[in-house]
Amino acid sequence: DGGITQSPKYLFRKEGQNVTLSCEQNLNHDAMYWYRQDPGQGLRLIYYSQIVNDFQNGDIAVGYSVSREKKESFPLTVTSAQKNPTAFYLCATAPGQMNTEAFFGQGTRLTVV
Amino acid sequence: RKEVEQDPGPFNVPEGATVAFNCTYSNSASQSFFWYRQDCRKEPKLLMSVYSSGNEDGRFTAQLNRASQYISLLIRDSKLSDSATYLCVVKNGGYNKLIFGAGTRLAVHP
Repeated sequence: DGGITQSPKYLFRKEGQNVTLSCEQNLNHDAMYWYRQDPGQGLRLIYYSQIVNDFQNGDIAVGYSVSREKKESFPLTVTSAQKNPTAFYLCATAPGQMNTEAFFGQGTRLTVV
Repeated sequence: RKEVEQDPGPFNVPEGATVAFNCTYSNSASQSFFWYRQDCRKEPKLLMSVYSSGNEDGRFTAQLNRASQYISLLIRDSKLSDSATYLCVVKNGGYNKLIFGAGTRLAVHP
């Protein structure tokens, strides 16, 4: 079954705990992205990666970390330095060519209590 | 200034209406443009790419004006099922940075 898998769909954590969100793809796409969406708001770019072992800060990288050790995987860690982590997190992938669209996973809803 | 800006909305229109959404982008080096649709509490999905010459897909027409750094989406004969948030997306630079506008919400009523 091809596509992008984000897990878990819902995640609850206590304040101050680090948490890692999974994003796996079998589309053989080079580029991967992480976005955050707050209620009634647009998508804000956290990190993106063009190739394995390389990634770039997005607009709101503070309090987050990523790794890209394999082409298929781009996990996002929400650290305790992120002061307001409750949000909907979306992972996307795209082929390496410029004029190609991105495809999204179904997202993870993180709630910090 | 935000990299991608859209009409704030919401747009409330009756079935059958024609509605237009606008979007401006700040980076003149932007190379690819898209419209996505997002339903409530779901992931965004591609509606259509936007080409320099403009393009049409059924009731949907997208236009690009590179000189004015402006993208538009026209929806004709609106359906109830068109109710969603429409996101303008711009792809920049060598790292394929993908930037989303804040979205415009459309509500089509009977």
